[in-house]
Amino acid sequence: SAVISQKPSRDICQRGTSLTIQCQVDSQVTMMFWYRQQPGQSLTLIATANQGSEATYESGFVIDKFPISRPNLTFSTLTVSNMSPEDSSIYLCSVVGGRTGELFFGEGSRLTVL
Amino acid sequence: QKEVEQDPGPLSVPEGAIVSLNCTYSNSAFQYFMWYRQYSRKGPELLMYTYSSGNKEDGRFTAQVDKSSKYISLFIRDSQPSDSATYLCAMTGGYQKVTFGTGTKLQVIP
Repeated sequence: SAVISQKPSRDICQRGTSLTIQCQVDSQVTMMFWYRQQPGQSLTLIATANQGSEATYESGFVIDKFPISRPNLTFSTLTVSNMSPEDSSIYLCSVVGGRTGELFFGEGSRLTVL
Repeated sequence: QKEVEQDPGPLSVPEGAIVSLNCTYSNSAFQYFMWYRQYSRKGPELLMYTYSSGNKEDGRFTAQVDKSSKYISLFIRDSQPSDSATYLCAMTGGYQKVTFGTGTKLQVIP
């Protein structure tokens, strides 16, 4: 299994500001995934981040709102831009394990936007 | 209709009870099925991973998949207070997007 570290673990932010979440993996991985978990809802995939190429965004998520960087095979960042209270959520970084489709998650970053 | 349906609970059981958690799905392409446990303020932790139909046992946990009925289950035997968490089912057709259920909140009462 992969060990995934996320920073910050939680933050309280003001409306209109931006916050960058960092994700560090203890091994090299091709694909990293960013999920959002809103209260009482299932995990929703925001985007897939591949090293050396643009991230692929899911329907309903755009690069201007959630820019992603993937500078190397062990690190990625997700920025939540121009935040509003609707962005209050847990943001999770994940990677695929040795078997097909098996995902491992970081501890998550809990954002509260006032 | 959601691709994956999961009863949100909460489900409250006494310590030692057998717990049954279930999900139904509509996409026949799903072949890999997972159960995650998520404690409060923590990320999801992979609990069980199964491929196609059948049973898989790991300690007190048993995962069942019935592809003909599009129904998966997680059984917890001799439930403990430490099992109190939210349990998420998840499934995928392969190297594709993983689809999650909304999670069932379980409370095991001492």
